Amino acid sequence: EMQLVQSGAEVKKPGESLRISCKVSGYSFTSYWITWVRQMPGKGLEWVGRIGPSDSDTVYSPSFQGHVTFLVDKSITTAYLQWTSLKASDTAIYYCVRGDHSSGGRNWFDPWGQGTLVTVSS
Amino acid sequence: QSVLTQPPSASGTPGQRVTISCSGSSSNIGSNNVNWYQQFPGTTPKLLIHSNNQRPSGVPDRFSASRSGTSASLAISGLQSEDEADYYCSSWDASLPGWVFGGGTKLAVL
Repeated sequence: EMQLVQSGAEVKKPGESLRISCKVSGYSFTSYWITWVRQMPGKGLEWVGRIGPSDSDTVYSPSFQGHVTFLVDKSITTAYLQWTSLKASDTAIYYCVRGDHSSGGRNWFDPWGQGTLVTVSS
Repeated sequence: QSVLTQPPSASGTPGQRVTISCSGSSSNIGSNNVNWYQQFPGTTPKLLIHSNNQRPSGVPDRFSASRSGTSASLAISGLQSEDEADYYCSSWDASLPGWVFGGGTKLAVL
């Protein structure tokens, strides 16, 4: 069974750093991009960007470029989303999801992780 | 403001057919496939339709979708109370480049 299992909810203060994780199982980790999606409270879905686990190639949405970093550890089939300086406006649920196949086909998001709630408040 | 435009809400009565529109541009829907996602309150989004009109296994055939020009639409026939959810369209946008979503449509079954 394909699964993306994310780390638990986090409560942080503005300016703090954070790294959340997404553990993948049930499919070839290096064959599909891992995509990150943000959902702010009561709002819609926003594409944060993606990382190719085979070579760590990254594509960031212009809205998030420079504020977040994607990482992967192939040895433990885990992807990470990290911030070095959180803002209150980063408060949201962050989903990891299996994205496009590295060959260019299969261009959709499925399956999704359960989401990680990040709360940033002083 | 989302790159893809969806109506914020839609509604229907049980058994009715409802459609949800998704409007884009030549750089996204006009030249790339559209996917649809369903999200129940407090839960994770789920893939509903991919590649414009393909239903993953397990998705009832009451759900259908199409794409024409720079627009797409999702249709739900034989509406049921359990269809109450938020629905999002999504497509690759070559001008960014990156994936874009619609703002989401909240479907109410009256």
